Amino acid sequence: AQSVSQHNHHVILSEAASLELGCNYSYGGTVNLFWYVQYPGQHLQLLLKYFSGDPLVKGIKGFEAEFIKSKFSFNLRKPSVQWSDTAEYFCAVRTNQGGKLIFGQGTELSVKP
Amino acid sequence: SAVISQKPSRDICQRGTSLTIQCQVDSQVTMMFWYRQQPGQSLTLIATANQGSEATYESGFVIDKFPISRPNLTFSTLTVSNMSPEDSSIYLCSVPQGYGYTFGSGTRLTVV
Repeated sequence: AQSVSQHNHHVILSEAASLELGCNYSYGGTVNLFWYVQYPGQHLQLLLKYFSGDPLVKGIKGFEAEFIKSKFSFNLRKPSVQWSDTAEYFCAVRTNQGGKLIFGQGTELSVKP
Repeated sequence: SAVISQKPSRDICQRGTSLTIQCQVDSQVTMMFWYRQQPGQSLTLIATANQGSEATYESGFVIDKFPISRPNLTFSTLTVSNMSPEDSSIYLCSVPQGYGYTFGSGTRLTVV
C-alpha cells in the first residue's frame, strides 16, 4: 500500500532560520505531490503541488519544494521562517489508483520570535 | 474553485448514539472523500464516496460503523454510528478540484 512518511514530528526554529521538512513516499508509479499547511484552529490550505515538469516547485508565502524521483522525496523548504509560519505541515501524495490523497503524519513547526 | 459547506461544525454526543455529517458542494463532482483527523494526528482517509455506487472503504474502516450516502453529484453524508470516546475527532470531506483538492471546514466531534 502507498504510504507517506514525514521525518520530523516537531521542529522548533528561531525567526529567520532556514527550514527543511522531509517527506518520502512509497509508490513506484506516477505520483502527484502536495504540501498542505494547517494554522492553529484553521482549515487545511494548499502550499504547493507538483504534477510534472520542473521538479523545483514554488508555492505561496515563500515556500518551495523539490521533487527528487530517485529518492522518492518531496522536501519542503523556506529560506527564512517567520513567527507566522507556526503551524502543522502535511505532505500528501496522490497516485493513479483511485485519485485519493494519502497524507503523511504531519510536522508541527514552532517558530520562536 | 469549489466551495464545500460542511455541517455541523461541531457537536458533543453521548456514547452509543450516532451523528450524521453533511457535505454540500457548489458544483458537481464525481468523487468525494471522507477523512478523520484524530487529536494531534494526521488525516486518515475513511472512504471514497462515488455517486451511484457503494462507497469504497479504507483498511480499518467498515460500512456498519461509517455508513456513507451519496445521493447526487453535489452532496454526501457520513454517519458515525454507535459512538465511543475513541471516535472523538475532526471529520472532513474533500473533493478533487482542478489539480488539487478542496476541503470542507470540518466537523469537530466530541463523544462523552
